[in-house]
Amino acid sequence: VQLVESGGLVVPPGGSLRLSCAASGFKIDDYAMHWVRQPPGKGLEWVSLITWDGVSTYYADSVKGRFTISRDNNKHSLFLQMNSLRSEDTALYYCAKDVSGSGGMADYWGQGTLVTVSS
Amino acid sequence: DIQMTQSPSTLSTSVGDRVTITCRASQSISTWLAWYQQKPGKAPKLLIYEASTLHSGVPSRFSGSGSGTQFTLTISSLQPDDFATYYCQQYNSFPYSFGQGTKLEIK
Repeated sequence: VQLVESGGLVVPPGGSLRLSCAASGFKIDDYAMHWVRQPPGKGLEWVSLITWDGVSTYYADSVKGRFTISRDNNKHSLFLQMNSLRSEDTALYYCAKDVSGSGGMADYWGQGTLVTVSS
Repeated sequence: DIQMTQSPSTLSTSVGDRVTITCRASQSISTWLAWYQQKPGKAPKLLIYEASTLHSGVPSRFSGSGSGTQFTLTISSLQPDDFATYYCQQYNSFPYSFGQGTKLEIK
């Protein structure tokens, strides 16, 4: 199992960014997928989950209405569209594979991509 | 939303010690709880799920217990590789949530 995140950048407050996660070594369309973030020097914060078929999505209150999770199973990819970015969104963003198709714990994680929101 | 509270935040310990970390949920989560280990500069690793089931490849010195709102992670005899930060996470209901973490330091 390999998960490789990309797309992290320095972006000004109010800006937008799209993160990607390339999955390999497993059949992505069997599993739900997560985004989890970690501000520098701080703890983990769960951000979002999408079910195996992309039909159901769930968000942390802190990002609801601003972030959108999506997936393309044909391209073995997971995405996170981030709009109206704030300084508190600065973090290392991890993509993680769930153990089931509908949601649970994450058994494999990528190495993360760094998003910095700063003017 | 469910809040997860871990204690202690930091624990100074020695190799060979028995270590217990506590995680409390703000409402009942049955046994829908996972524990993760994270080392500096690395991604978290799943240790335990459903409160007490050891993930594949995790050493048997790790164990978990609890249900409802009170959970514990125990390391029976601390090894040098175990100095890390540990997080609990509830997956009973959305939005999922993590505890703030417990850092094991060398005494």
